[in-house]
Amino acid sequence: GDSVTQTEGLVTLTKGLPVMLNCTYQTTYSPFLFWYVQHLNEAPKLLLKSSTDNKRTEHQGFYATLHKSSSSFHLQKSSVQLSDSALYFCALISGSFNKLTFGAGTRLAVCP
Amino acid sequence: AQTIHQWPVAEIKAVGSPLSLGCTIKGKSSPNLYWYWQATGGTLQQLFYSITVGQVESVVQLNLSASRPKDDQFILSTEKLLLSHSGFYLCAWSHHRGRNTEVFFGKGTRLTVV
Repeated sequence: GDSVTQTEGLVTLTKGLPVMLNCTYQTTYSPFLFWYVQHLNEAPKLLLKSSTDNKRTEHQGFYATLHKSSSSFHLQKSSVQLSDSALYFCALISGSFNKLTFGAGTRLAVCP
Repeated sequence: AQTIHQWPVAEIKAVGSPLSLGCTIKGKSSPNLYWYWQATGGTLQQLFYSITVGQVESVVQLNLSASRPKDDQFILSTEKLLLSHSGFYLCAWSHHRGRNTEVFFGKGTRLTVV
């Protein structure tokens, strides 16, 4: 079945530094990947999505590129802010379109 | 604009007691509907999905059941709560647009089983 791997459980950074959160996936179908962000005690919100190989997608300063050759969809930002502290989930939609498979999540903690 | 409303916002229930959580989507006809469960700080586990009224598919077995009595309503329930049912329950919906789709989440219900 489909799976999503996020290798970092916690990433701690100082404000203003760049960040990359890793996401790799496995699927037998053509992939459609998402990044969701969840702030404390809130629902997850969509940050980015892509199904186009080697095309960068951007939103709110975050960006990611789907690389089918390496099955990756890493999330990046050039300069993190305190407000970026949250839980970030990478997710993959299944071939049946009815199941969104989430990775374990990466908690990003930004310090002053 | 579409809105999704979940109730209650939070519940504290005793082990062995029944549970009913609800979700209503307004402004969208015939959405796909989903229930997700999240342990504190954990990942999101899909529990159920429904593509039409009266039809619900189970994704994982957690001694929970779901029903879709109306096009815009999705109910999650159990007759007997376990301690392991504690967590954050999220209702979500998506368009019928196949793979080019986005899942929108409600604000969730925080359940504590004691």
